[in-house]
Amino acid sequence: QVQLVESGGGVVQPGESLRLSCAASGFIFSNYGMHWVRQAPGKGLEWVAFMRYDESNEYYEDSVKGRFTISRDYSKNTLFLHMNSLKPEDTAVYYCAKELLASCGGDCFSTFDIWGQGTMVTVSS
Amino acid sequence: DIQMTQSPSSLSASVGDRVTITCRASQGISTFLAWFQQKPGKAPKSLIYAASSLQSGVPSKFSGSRSGTDFTLTISSLQPEDSATYYCQQYNSFPQTFGQGTKVEIK
Repeated sequence: QVQLVESGGGVVQPGESLRLSCAASGFIFSNYGMHWVRQAPGKGLEWVAFMRYDESNEYYEDSVKGRFTISRDYSKNTLFLHMNSLKPEDTAVYYCAKELLASCGGDCFSTFDIWGQGTMVTVSS
Repeated sequence: DIQMTQSPSSLSASVGDRVTITCRASQGISTFLAWFQQKPGKAPKSLIYAASSLQSGVPSKFSGSRSGTDFTLTISSLQPEDSATYYCQQYNSFPQTFGQGTKVEIK
């Protein structure tokens, strides 16, 4: 079945870096755009980053621009989120999510269908 | 950025009640609106896309509608397993944005 499994979360100090992974299975990874969404403790959902199925575009939420980078490894069916210069306000559960529509390009609009279970990132001194 | 305003922020209803949650977009988003359900300690679950289309496997007691920039999620007959927080999301443009959530409790 379609499955997304995140890993790489942990406790880090402000200013440090972390790389999150999202292992995909049960679907053709190269056909779908992928997102990262986060949720701070007790708060709502916040979209973080997106990469199109063919890497033609990537987008970021303003507060993470220049600090976070989304990437994907097609040979390993894995999505990554490289997080640098972490701040306490980045503390959250980070979810990866798969786009609903396949091969969704620039003139296509798609939300998510499948979410991973999440991985916790804590930034604290 | 497009702001999504959900109302109410919480509600309490009885088993069997019809429940309605509203989401208003700060500007036009066509039908690029989705709804998600999240239970405590769990990942969100996708319910509806394109304002009114059910995701695969979602029971038909959930439905969505649109009127201009106002969107509605309706649960036709509330059951105990529907106790959760519900979020709307616009995907008309980046950054994609979520509503602040509506917590649904069972009386």
